[in-house]
Amino acid sequence: NAGVTQTPKFQVLKTGQSMTLQCAQDMNHEYMSWYRQDPGMGLRLIHYSVGAGITDQGEVPNGYNVSRSTTEDFPLRLLSAAPSQTSVYFCASSYSVGPEAFFGQGTRLTVV
Amino acid sequence: GQQVMQIPQYQHVQEGEDFTTYCNSSTTLSNIQWYKQRPGGHPVFLIQLVKSGEVKKQKRLTFQFGEAKKNSSLHITATQTTDVGTYFCAGREAAGNKLTFGGGTRVLVKP
Repeated sequence: NAGVTQTPKFQVLKTGQSMTLQCAQDMNHEYMSWYRQDPGMGLRLIHYSVGAGITDQGEVPNGYNVSRSTTEDFPLRLLSAAPSQTSVYFCASSYSVGPEAFFGQGTRLTVV
Repeated sequence: GQQVMQIPQYQHVQEGEDFTTYCNSSTTLSNIQWYKQRPGGHPVFLIQLVKSGEVKKQKRLTFQFGEAKKNSSLHITATQTTDVGTYFCAGREAAGNKLTFGGGTRVLVKP
């Protein structure tokens, strides 16, 4: 049982490039979400999904797109990378409204 | 929107001492969760509180949910070096699905 798998673990982008952060879970969880964590700070919700075909914005959605075509996958797309998007990105999943959110190992993204 | 605040931001504790971290939400919560993140790691679920006034214990950790379901606390007794990390609270709104994290309390233990 792999849990929540995020790829890649590390990524360096140039300003203006686009890329997709992958997130997959094998626990049949309905709820999936993306957070970013800046140094010394908490986790801020970017986008979340309560099921396949349903997504919604979190606290800091600008510059990011998501889609949820399957229960298992919830990719996060950076449309045009900016240095302000340098951060650690965590994907999380859970059954419906809790209780426990399982986090992936994170993707460390640097935009230069 | 919902805001969740945690204090203190940093906690320097002598090994063996007790300390408490506090979490306050701007809105009423359906539940509150606590997570621990070790340096360089990812958040790991500790516990969820659902009922008003609920108190739960895990060994040396005591978690409490306020009567108004807008605040919570985590009390650690006899701190050990293994307690090093950042402790986050996360509140789920009474009406909605979003889980909002506090800024965390970073705990450093002096041996």
